[in-house]
Amino acid sequence: DVKVTQSSRYLVKRTGEKVFLECVQDMDHENMFWYRQDPGLGLRLIYFSYDVKMKEKGDIPEGYSVSREKKERFSLILESASTNQTSMYLCASTLSMADTEAFFGQGTRLTVV
Amino acid sequence: GDSVTQMEGPVTLSEEAFLTINCTYTATGYPSLFWYVQYPGEGLQLLLKATKADDKGSNKGFEATYRKETTSFHLEKGSVQVSDSAVYFCALSDSGSGTYKYIFGTGTRLKVLA
Repeated sequence: DVKVTQSSRYLVKRTGEKVFLECVQDMDHENMFWYRQDPGLGLRLIYFSYDVKMKEKGDIPEGYSVSREKKERFSLILESASTNQTSMYLCASTLSMADTEAFFGQGTRLTVV
Repeated sequence: GDSVTQMEGPVTLSEEAFLTINCTYTATGYPSLFWYVQYPGEGLQLLLKATKADDKGSNKGFEATYRKETTSFHLEKGSVQVSDSAVYFCALSDSGSGTYKYIFGTGTRLKVLA
């Protein structure tokens, strides 16, 4: 069974903290993505990675960075968490081809207080 | 850049009614198009897809046709059930920039009443 696993289901962090969200996939997929999901705004792409150490900004990269040191792992970093980063964060992975299905993790509900 | 635009929800229908959820897109290359569904409390899962113009994707009674001339991929179902209540996302994967970026719309919430 294919799997994308996010390290935490729920997180509560304080304003100004550095936050790491981890995502691991076991399907040998080239592409990995981080989205945030907010009511009325759908899924917005933060960053994606198409290979180890390769990344590309999505639509809302401000306040975030990413790391992909190994093919199976893609980390999202909030350098200094703020309350407007309270959201559901979704990780996904795909093969590097046009008609491929995206597989999603279960999501991390992050609350910044 | 690439984008997906969906009709705003929520959409509320009675059981056995006809469903249409509109989706249009802009893309630099030749995208593949998808519909994903998110049931309450669950993750996103693929509902159907189409990879080239005039292709029709279908699954569980849902259909969508890839219309290049109108850059659209509208989701339809002839007779909805209460169990179809969920959020539906239109998405595209485009290799126009050389990488397969995956872009989603804002989602449309469907509520089906018995």
